[in-house]
Amino acid sequence: GAGVSQTPSNKVTEKGKYVELRCDPISGHTALYWYRQSLGQGPEFLIYFQGTGAADDSGLPNDRFFAVRPEGSVSTLKIQRTERGDSAVYLCASSLGVSPDTQYFGPGTRLTVL
Amino acid sequence: AQSVTQLGSHVSVSEGALVLLRCNYSSSVPPYLFWYVQYPNQGLQLLLKYTTGATLVKGINGFEAEFKKSETSFHLTKPSAHMSDAAEYFCAVRRGGGSQGNLIFGKGTKLSVKP
Repeated sequence: GAGVSQTPSNKVTEKGKYVELRCDPISGHTALYWYRQSLGQGPEFLIYFQGTGAADDSGLPNDRFFAVRPEGSVSTLKIQRTERGDSAVYLCASSLGVSPDTQYFGPGTRLTVL
Repeated sequence: AQSVTQLGSHVSVSEGALVLLRCNYSSSVPPYLFWYVQYPNQGLQLLLKYTTGATLVKGINGFEAEFKKSETSFHLTKPSAHMSDAAEYFCAVRRGGGSQGNLIFGKGTKLSVKP
């Protein structure tokens, strides 16, 4: 079946602009995670949804970052007033939401802020 | 709090040689442990995981890892490296038990395989 998909695959924007990154999880997966991977680093957790609600948003770096999952499926990560330091690969993962909760990752969106 | 340390950001082996990638974790609760592989310009793919039960875990592509609680380690091994194993490997930990939650990743180890 289809895996986790993310769009766009690449996004180039200018400092100060607003961007939206989309994640389509595996059908039937109730849990959805966003991570950020900077060059030479492992993925870092941003936010986790169980259904429509954010169960844990402790990884969001500041209030410029926001994510939604209004119908419990597709999720959008929104970044306001982008900064050059936001440049990274943004990864989405989904899982069934039942322990041991194996997470399946999408290919990521590479965000470049000029 | 939980954390993961991967020793060696870059490991190089010859084709046919043993692969050993090291991972040590810190966790105040029983952990679940994972190894993921990332090929260039691709997403993370699960290699294997330890949750409960047998401490020697076998994964895809001939890889295996052993959970050693006394050493807080979860090293990844493969008896004979293949050129196609060249990739970046990430060890990750999360809370065990019935809870869900995010993964905490190490910084990764890039594996090179020489012909």
